[in-house]
Amino acid sequence: LAKTTQPISMDSYEGQEVNITCSHNNIATNDYITWYQQFPSQGPRFIIQGYKTKVTNEVASLFIPADRKSSTLSLPRVSLSDTAVYYCLVGDEGPGGGNKLTFGTGTQLKVEL
Amino acid sequence: NAGVMQNPRHLVRRRGQEARLRCSPMKGHSHVYWYRQLPEEGLKFMVYLQKENIIDESGMPKERFSAEFPKEGPSILRIQQVVRGDSAAYFCASSLRGAGEAFFGQGTRLTVV
Repeated sequence: LAKTTQPISMDSYEGQEVNITCSHNNIATNDYITWYQQFPSQGPRFIIQGYKTKVTNEVASLFIPADRKSSTLSLPRVSLSDTAVYYCLVGDEGPGGGNKLTFGTGTQLKVEL
Repeated sequence: NAGVMQNPRHLVRRRGQEARLRCSPMKGHSHVYWYRQLPEEGLKFMVYLQKENIIDESGMPKERFSAEFPKEGPSILRIQQVVRGDSAAYFCASSLRGAGEAFFGQGTRLTVV
């Protein structure tokens, strides 16, 4: 089971770029890296997923170095509404080929004016 | 296409009663996951089900907790003889396949009094 380590909290200001790094030293060959966002009293929401190099979508970019032992979620020009907990997950192939999501403690991002 | 629907949103039970939490996955999704989140903590995996089958229940407490996902109808998480320590938010997620993006419901907040 690949364990992830990420900062407990981060502070930023509106308009800045935020980079949250996650360590996953024991990532397996078949594992993907996925990031979720969670607002208070809501379920997590998928942000982005990648296997290697760089992935970009309309809300974020994900950078994964060649050794895949870490990954960085990049949020461009954050706003107050990006204040949330961000979880880094590494895909865990469970029995039968399924994928059990394993959440760590996440990173509490606080964006201020 | 409606998202993952959980009901009830809030549930209050007295100690010793039974709690039944329901989850209707997104249309076409046959993979369902249940998670528990205690206040100020991350999500903890409980059980992974496919239609009529429990794939992985490694996160389920050995006693009082059970889950099912029948051929017809929602997935049910059942907690018998609830205790105060069962008070938490219970989230359900579904996915189209056993890996990749999972969609979460709004959760059921169980309070045991």
